[in-house]
Amino acid sequence: AQKITQTQPGMFVQEKEAVTLDCTYDTSDPSYGLFWYKQPSSGEMIFLIYQGSYDQQNATEGRYSLNFQKARKSANLVISASQLGDSAMYFCAMREGTNAGKSTFGDGTTLTVKP
Amino acid sequence: NAGVTQTPKFRILKIGQSMTLQCTQDMNHNYMYWYRQDPGMGLKLIYYSVGAGITDKGEVPNGYNVSRSTTEDFPLRLELAAPSQTSVYFCASSILQRGLGRDTQYFGPGTRLTVL
Repeated sequence: AQKITQTQPGMFVQEKEAVTLDCTYDTSDPSYGLFWYKQPSSGEMIFLIYQGSYDQQNATEGRYSLNFQKARKSANLVISASQLGDSAMYFCAMREGTNAGKSTFGDGTTLTVKP
Repeated sequence: NAGVTQTPKFRILKIGQSMTLQCTQDMNHNYMYWYRQDPGMGLKLIYYSVGAGITDKGEVPNGYNVSRSTTEDFPLRLELAAPSQTSVYFCASSILQRGLGRDTQYFGPGTRLTVL
């Protein structure tokens, strides 16, 4: 079974609008971390935001926020005030338990920001 | 701080050839990882290491070998290259911050490998 599911292969958003990228996960471990990465067309992987399973509040980093719904096992990324430079592939990832070595990535969502 | 560096950036191999992808980090991170990314897909973990002398398999280890003799270096060895190993390879490192729970991975720029 897929541990990380990103159901939106591609998304479009108008510049300056907000967009939500979906991510659901599957784990039976009570301790886990969820990450979002951005991969622009140049290919590098850029860390955006992190949410721990025991964190009480949703994570925020500038224009990025993580809508963490633990009971639904979802960790959606919200980008506010989209910019043209936000056009990229976005990956959701999970690290289970205390073993930082085992991370699983989703297949990604391609976001295109329209002017 | 150079972060995570990878060499080479590009390489074309013939079927059956061998090569080593180099990865070095200067952040004194204890964890290091190798991933492969096939076109249009997410990253799949090949091998990882929790410290010098300790390595473990990830999701797709077949056809690859690793070693970790120092904290800084984590080379990935391809023996008998096959077309199925055509991919982009990313090295990453992280430090497990116990109690803080945040172990962000820092990625290298990637190596684009083609096996013909």
